[in-house]
Amino acid sequence: DTAVSQTPKYLVTQMGNDKSIKCEQNLGHDTMYWYKQDSKKFLKIMFSYNNKELIINETVPNRFSPKSPDKAHLNLHINSLELGDSAVYFCASSQSGAGRSGELFFGEGSRLTVL
Amino acid sequence: GQQVMQIPQYQHVQEGEDFTTYCNSSTTLSNIQWYKQRPGGHPVFLIQLVKSGEVKKQKRLTFQFGEAKKNSSLHITATQTTDVGTYFCAVPQGGSEKLVFGKGMKLTVNP
Repeated sequence: DTAVSQTPKYLVTQMGNDKSIKCEQNLGHDTMYWYKQDSKKFLKIMFSYNNKELIINETVPNRFSPKSPDKAHLNLHINSLELGDSAVYFCASSQSGAGRSGELFFGEGSRLTVL
Repeated sequence: GQQVMQIPQYQHVQEGEDFTTYCNSSTTLSNIQWYKQRPGGHPVFLIQLVKSGEVKKQKRLTFQFGEAKKNSSLHITATQTTDVGTYFCAVPQGGSEKLVFGKGMKLTVNP
């Protein structure tokens, strides 16, 4: 069983389109995250939810909107895609807050390519 | 916000060599985590260090937390091709839920 699963794994789309990435974790964790990894491999946190409540919202364009229907799911919707949005998006979860000694479990990533 | 510097950013070694990578912070850390990301893969948790001067070993990997809890090192003994990947350190920012990652150290191994 995959602990943190993301769909789709690959996404190729045109500029201006809207797309969504879904994430589910079956670890029973309370906290879920979205990280963006650019072509230089820099991992930057975007959002974090704890039990469906938004607790971290980094300086991310408001074209990005996370949604957590329940604590096992965290989706990411992106409007009006731009070339600079091309990256690998990782979903992750942790039992407690990652900053408080909670290790992160990452999904396999969703590679978004905007043409 | 919390910043953490990883050095070097790239390391190319001959199989069998030892090497060390470092993670440095300007402020005292409550803990530090290390992750490994294989090429094309996702980051995988390796270890967490919490205590001042703590040393933990995982087979050929030795992790150390500085006495002042401002830096950490990862030492790999007798590097193998399976060690290839990017190693990240990650630190909590300001006691928050946020885990901030260093820029990573990309390791390549010549067989």
